Amino acid sequence: AQKITQTQPGMFVQEKEAVTLDCTYDTSDPSYGLFWYKQPSSGEMIFLIYQGSYDQQNATEGRYSLNFQKARKSANLVISASQLGDSAMYFCAMRERNAGNMLTFGGGTRLMVKP
Amino acid sequence: NAGVMQNPRHLVRRRGQEARLRCSPMKGHSHVYWYRQLPEEGLKFMVYLQKENIIDESGMPKERFSAEFPKEGPSILRIQQVVRGDSAAYFCASSLGLAGTYYEQYFGPGTRLTVT
Repeated sequence: AQKITQTQPGMFVQEKEAVTLDCTYDTSDPSYGLFWYKQPSSGEMIFLIYQGSYDQQNATEGRYSLNFQKARKSANLVISASQLGDSAMYFCAMRERNAGNMLTFGGGTRLMVKP
Repeated sequence: NAGVMQNPRHLVRRRGQEARLRCSPMKGHSHVYWYRQLPEEGLKFMVYLQKENIIDESGMPKERFSAEFPKEGPSILRIQQVVRGDSAAYFCASSLGLAGTYYEQYFGPGTRLTVT
């Protein structure tokens, strides 16, 4: 079974609108962390936001927020007020405490912001 | 404070040659991770190293691939006798290590390996 599933291979959003990128995960470890990374066309991996499994509140970082629904095992990324520079690949990743320090990544979602 | 550095950024090798990829972690970081990204896919974990120790190599192919992180100098990912299927982006990340349930891996810019 896939540990991280991103069901949207590609998405369009109008500039200045909000967009939600889906991520579901599968783990039996009670202690885990969820991450979102942005990969622009230049190729680097840019850390966006983190949510710990015991965090009571949804994480927010500027225009990024994470809609964490633990019972549903989903950790969707919400980008508010989309900008042209948000066009990129977005990856959801998970770290499980009992599985060591590695990150397990989803297949990614390509976001394209339309002017 | 310089970030994670990888070199070369682009590497072209012919089939059968060796590829050496280097990673210098952020200052103060003693944990290094290597990931591979095939075209149009997410990153896949390969190996986790601390200084002079391989902690987890569960993602490394059994043959031709090796990694080290010596006491002095960068971490090296070595691929012997490269084949076309090794063409990918190889990312290195570093971290301070475990800190409760939260820590962050900082990624380098990646090395794009092309095997011709």
